[in-house]
Amino acid sequence: QVHLQESGPGLVRPSETLSLTCTVSGGSISSTSDYWTWIRQSPGKGLDWIGSVHFSGRTYYNAPLKSRVTISVDTSKNQLSLILSFMTAADTATYYCARLVGMYDSSGHYKGLGYFDLWGRGTLVTVSS
Amino acid sequence: DIVMTQSPDSLAVSLGERATINCKSSQSLLHSSNNKNYLAWYQQKSGQPPKLLISWASTRESGVPARFSGSGSGTEFTLTISSLQAEDVAVYYCQQYHTTPPWTFGQGTKVEIK
Repeated sequence: QVHLQESGPGLVRPSETLSLTCTVSGGSISSTSDYWTWIRQSPGKGLDWIGSVHFSGRTYYNAPLKSRVTISVDTSKNQLSLILSFMTAADTATYYCARLVGMYDSSGHYKGLGYFDLWGRGTLVTVSS
Repeated sequence: DIVMTQSPDSLAVSLGERATINCKSSQSLLHSSNNKNYLAWYQQKSGQPPKLLISWASTRESGVPARFSGSGSGTEFTLTISSLQAEDVAVYYCQQYHTTPPWTFGQGTKVEIK
């Protein structure tokens, strides 16, 4: 059974850079069809997609964060990482890693990326001086 | 970007009664190539990550109780809990995957016991 576990600092100072890691166990991060994703949730708020990465290195980022975010994979460690620069109080949130499922039709043709079927437990990051 | 809007923001339902959550998308989620609606529903209990309940608007994930059902097409969708149980207290989110990136979620609907 695939398990995702986030790790990183719980507290970041304003203007500093956040670095988080998600370790994938029980399965390979080198799935040809799936992407690995970071999603965040501000306290008491909804879910915001940050970005997704394929083991090949291909990435998708949410436009408002694109200038500050880098998501990458380390296949040797079965990990994905998130780097978010210039942190502010607005970035205080629980950060989740999740698997974004690749979709196929009945003929086996790839149909794109769909929903998030596996999630880590999340890690709370607070931005404060 | 496709905007997802849920209603109501919260609802309180008696145990054993029906709970209905609505989700509206700013664009149709029906894909003409396969006649499928690209919509998922998630359940998030307090202190836990979201859990995928339903994909393709109406396909329950393995292990999800039959009292959860999804319906709708195009721009309007519904998640129904036919007989609310105490363990169903949670926030429920819809999410579209028709036009991506970005993948977008509704703002959530909180379900409580009356």
